[in-house]
Amino acid sequence: NAGVTQTPKFRVLKTGQSMTLLCAQDMNHEYMYWYRQDPGMGLRLIHYSVGEGTTAKGEVPDGYNVSRLKKQNFLLGLESAAPSQTSVYFCASSYPLAFRWTDTQYFGPGTRLTVL
Amino acid sequence: AQSVTQLDSQVPVFEEAPVELRCNYSSSVSVYLFWYVQYPNQGLQLLLKYLSGSTLVKGINGFEAEFNKSQTSFHLRKPSVHISDTAEYFCAVTTGAGSYQLTFGKGTKLSVIP
Repeated sequence: NAGVTQTPKFRVLKTGQSMTLLCAQDMNHEYMYWYRQDPGMGLRLIHYSVGEGTTAKGEVPDGYNVSRLKKQNFLLGLESAAPSQTSVYFCASSYPLAFRWTDTQYFGPGTRLTVL
Repeated sequence: AQSVTQLDSQVPVFEEAPVELRCNYSSSVSVYLFWYVQYPNQGLQLLLKYLSGSTLVKGINGFEAEFNKSQTSFHLRKPSVHISDTAEYFCAVTTGAGSYQLTFGKGTKLSVIP
């Protein structure tokens, strides 16, 4: 049982390049999330998904797109990377109790992205 | 909308001393509260959570927190810290039903001094 895994662990991009971050979970969780963590800012929600085929915007969605084609995977895309997207990206998943969002979010180890 | 304030960005404490990490929240409706810990170069893991019931919540690694509705606080405490407690601690809040977003505080870095 690997929990939540993220690929890649590190990446360096040039401004304007594109990339996709992959998040995978093997806990059969319905809900998945992408956060970014910046020094002194805590974690901010980028996008989230409450089930296969559904996605929604979080607090800071601009410049990112997501897809949830399979229940176990949640992809985060950067179409044209900018230096402001230099950050550590965390994926998380959870399984809501009785359809109320009260359960624990389980986090992946993170992807450190630098945009030059 | 809810918000979380962690009053201290850094807290140094000597080994075996007690520690309190402060968290205040703002919300117009009932909330659920969480404390997460992040060890260097790792993801976040849950320390404890308050959903309902007893206002004193016990978590892993000897940590506990008390929900105080009148003070809108959820402070984290440990009576005797260990070097291995050195990490960053995040308080988070959600209003639950219909709202799936966890709102995090900016974090408190706990440094345990030998």
